[in-house]
Amino acid sequence: QSALTQPASVSGSPGQSITISCTGTSSDIGNYNLVSWYQQHPDKAPKLIIYEVTKRPSGVSNRFSGSKSGNTASLTISGLQAEDEGDYYCCSYAGRNTVIFGGGTKVTAL
Amino acid sequence: QVQLQESGPGLVKPPETLSLICSISGGSFSSYYWTWIRQPPGKGLEWIGYVYYSGTTSYRGDTVYNPSLKSRVTISTDTSKTHLYLKMISVTPADMGVYFCARDLGPSSRAFDLWGRGTMVTVSS
Repeated sequence: QSALTQPASVSGSPGQSITISCTGTSSDIGNYNLVSWYQQHPDKAPKLIIYEVTKRPSGVSNRFSGSKSGNTASLTISGLQAEDEGDYYCCSYAGRNTVIFGGGTKVTAL
Repeated sequence: QVQLQESGPGLVKPPETLSLICSISGGSFSSYYWTWIRQPPGKGLEWIGYVYYSGTTSYRGDTVYNPSLKSRVTISTDTSKTHLYLKMISVTPADMGVYFCARDLGPSSRAFDLWGRGTMVTVSS
């Protein structure tokens, strides 16, 4: 199992939209609609913000949205705010009851 | 409200055994996958494995591990189902990092909706 591939960093101006990609293979992202995304602030535990590719848990801002095409999943943050700065991780089911994470993307609001 | 709290020794010498505890309070243990995830300093998340207890299997529950760690890791619970355990043998400096316990929503989602704060593990002689 190799980690899912994410860009190391993505930045944008406040109010803009940014998109983080997460590339896997036909054995994980491409074969299952079981992709989740997590937001992590420094020295904090990760927080679930998207699950099952497009669903948002209760209480998560609708500025966060998820999608998938082929072996690549994406997280879009609309109307970027300073509080959105942090690290973002994708995660996918990888078969045989295992899951795999991406390497993480640092989001910066310029 | 379900809460998770990890605890552990903080410092482990190689090649000793790491033992961590996750205390689960405020909710049901059954029908979830209780998971350990770790994060090396400055790096990404790594799924370690889970234990699943349906209430109908043996008290030990069913376990699944990351293939890369399977030979060194054991995840278990106690009979009261209020504690989750992680045991990792033959630790090396590569095992250093923050260890989180988390609740996995199960096969229809495989998403982690609840996390503990994490406990830092340093591996050094």
